[in-house]
Amino acid sequence: SQTIHQWPATLVQPVGSPLSLECTVEGTSNPNLYWYRQAAGRGLQLLFYSVGIGQISSEVPQNLSASRPQDRQFILSSKKLLLSDSGFYLCAWSIAPLETQYFGPGTRLLVL
Amino acid sequence: GENVEQHPSTLSVQEGDSAVIKCTYSDSASNYFPWYKQELGKGPQLIIDIRSNVGEKKDQRIAVTLNKTAKHFSLHITETQPEDSAVYFCAASKGGGGNYQLIWGAGTKLIIKP
Repeated sequence: SQTIHQWPATLVQPVGSPLSLECTVEGTSNPNLYWYRQAAGRGLQLLFYSVGIGQISSEVPQNLSASRPQDRQFILSSKKLLLSDSGFYLCAWSIAPLETQYFGPGTRLLVL
Repeated sequence: GENVEQHPSTLSVQEGDSAVIKCTYSDSASNYFPWYKQELGKGPQLIIDIRSNVGEKKDQRIAVTLNKTAKHFSLHITETQPEDSAVYFCAASKGGGGNYQLIWGAGTKLIIKP
């Protein structure tokens, strides 16, 4: 069966520090991968999606970036965090566009 | 571009009663409409979805209806139970042109009163 992992679960970082969040998927090949951010009590904002290795599409211009160095690995990064980057970051995968998205457990990021 | 509005933002119903959550979308090219349930501190999980070639779909106590003319779709939960308490999100596909991403509603917090 397929599983999706995210780490860390919780992260507290100072403003201006770098960020690296990792997401890995097991049990499937060539998944579509997604990074979302969810502000407290709000909906899901799509940040990046990827249909293959090295193929990243950005939905929202900001100081975050994403990379897909391996088929089932998706990394969210920032060189300098802002206060507004605080939120709940969710990684998801699907077998194809417009198919069920399976979400990871999320990373709660607090920027102070 | 596509915009999805979801109502109400909070819904409180008595256990055993029915709950209805509604979403409207703007892009007539949208053809896929999933509903996700998110429990506290967890990622969302798909509970039901519908594609534009059907008007209704049921799965036990959960049903979704789609009105393409009016561009709205609804989630219906019957015989609500305490474990139905969660935040529910609707979404709509962004449409054609090679960009098949989902646009999400803001969510509805469903509270089941014992």
